[in-house]
Amino acid sequence: DTGVSQNPRHKITKRGQNVTFRCDPISEHNRLYWYRQTLGQGPEFLTYFQNEAQLEKSRLLSDRFSAERPKGSFSTLEIQRTEQGDSAMYLCASSLERNSGANVLTFGAGSRLTVL
Amino acid sequence: AQSVTQLGSHVSVSEGALVLLRCNYSSSVPPYLFWYVQYPNQGLQLLLKYTSAATLVKGINGFEAEFKKSETSFHLTKPSAHMSDAAEYFCAVSPGGSNYKLTFGKGTLLTVNP
Repeated sequence: DTGVSQNPRHKITKRGQNVTFRCDPISEHNRLYWYRQTLGQGPEFLTYFQNEAQLEKSRLLSDRFSAERPKGSFSTLEIQRTEQGDSAMYLCASSLERNSGANVLTFGAGSRLTVL
Repeated sequence: AQSVTQLGSHVSVSEGALVLLRCNYSSSVPPYLFWYVQYPNQGLQLLLKYTSAATLVKGINGFEAEFKKSETSFHLTKPSAHMSDAAEYFCAVSPGGSNYKLTFGKGTLLTVNP
C-alpha cells in the first residue's frame, strides 16, 4: 500500500491551455474522489467514481472539466481552456465502500495548478 | 444539506498548552463528523471520526473530539500542544449512511510557539 499518488505535483500553464492530472488510488479501493482546494478554503467536492462509473458531479465542475476512471483503476482530471480562476490544489482521494461505518477517505498530496 | 463552520481561522498556543479547535456543523440527517490535518505540501490525514457510536472520540497524536448534538459541535482538543502539531486542521461532515461526500470547513491554522 503506497497510498494515493497524484501527478504532476505542480503544473504551471498559460491561460487557454489544457492540463491533465492523474490519480492512482490505493489498489483495493473502489471509490475515487476529486476535490478542489483554493487558498484559505477547505476542499470542495468535485466528483466521485465507484469503480469506473462516475456517480456524481458538482456544479463546480463546468463543461471545461472532465474526469475519467477507465477500468476502475487510475483516474484523470482534464481541464480544457484553463482560466486563472482554475488555479487551485486538486486533491484526489480514495476509499473502500463499506456497508456500515464511515467511508474513510485517504487523500493524495494534491496537484497544484497555477494558470498565468 | 450539510455545512461546517470552523471558528477562528488561526489559533496560536504555547508548547504544552491546551489546544482547542472549534467546529460547528449543520446537517439535515444524523451526521458523520471528521477531523483532518494537513501539513505543508502534504495531503489531508485523518485524525479521528465520529460515526454515531461513542460521543467522545479519540484519534491519533493525542487528539480527541466530543460530539455534542445539543450544541451541534464537534470541537477538537489536545491537552498539551507539541511543536509538531503545527498544521492546518479541517473539520468535515458527511450524511451518515450514504457517506461518500465530505463537506469541509475552511480550516484552522494552528501555530505552536516554543
